[in-house]
Amino acid sequence: GAGVSQSPSNKVTEKGKDVELRCDPISGHTALYWYRQSLGQGLEFLIYFQGNSAPDKSGLPSDRFSAERTGGSVSTLTIQRTQQEDSAVYLCASSSRQFNTEAFFGQGTRLTVV
Amino acid sequence: GESVGLHLPTLSVQEGDNSIINCAYSNSASDYFIWYKQESGKGPQFIIDIRSNMDKRQGQRVTVLLNKTVKHLSLQIAATQPGDSAVYFCAENRGRTGNQFYFGTGTSLTVIP
Repeated sequence: GAGVSQSPSNKVTEKGKDVELRCDPISGHTALYWYRQSLGQGLEFLIYFQGNSAPDKSGLPSDRFSAERTGGSVSTLTIQRTQQEDSAVYLCASSSRQFNTEAFFGQGTRLTVV
Repeated sequence: GESVGLHLPTLSVQEGDNSIINCAYSNSASDYFIWYKQESGKGPQFIIDIRSNMDKRQGQRVTVLLNKTVKHLSLQIAATQPGDSAVYFCAENRGRTGNQFYFGTGTSLTVIP
């Protein structure tokens, strides 16, 4: 596709439910990132995938958060037993090289936990 | 602790004036920096980048300055236009194994027509 695509664009869920957020990176991009942006805040790094290497999960806030990337392309971020503090915009980005290159962002998924 | 931060959370400028947005970083090992622009309801959009072996880089109406001695970045926007109104983030690449960017809180720029 022309850019990074995320779905859904908005998600409202009840506290305690599990949610899955999807990211389709730019075709051919080997690196994929997930960030979280709370209202009025900067971007918080969550997880980074690079090719077939083990992902860098150092930014995941708790074990309720997990992500996978199948076939080196599409990625899914899963949040189990959602809490109200999980409410945020979840942004996905991809880049073409491993080092020192810009990351292209999707529009984000706005998650609201009620 | 290490952080990427911004000196001014909000900035208002008159249309046609120049804008300067500042950013401090504390990880001296960071070797690549990006400025992003984020409009309401959209994902961040790349503006300009700079590597640590450079002090200055110019783009179209934008200039990024890097002062490694004091770990400071600035973004200069020439002849600011209403379309420049957005939140601006600086990001540093702290990744040891790739691009792992850390972002500051952002500066909200408002251009007054």
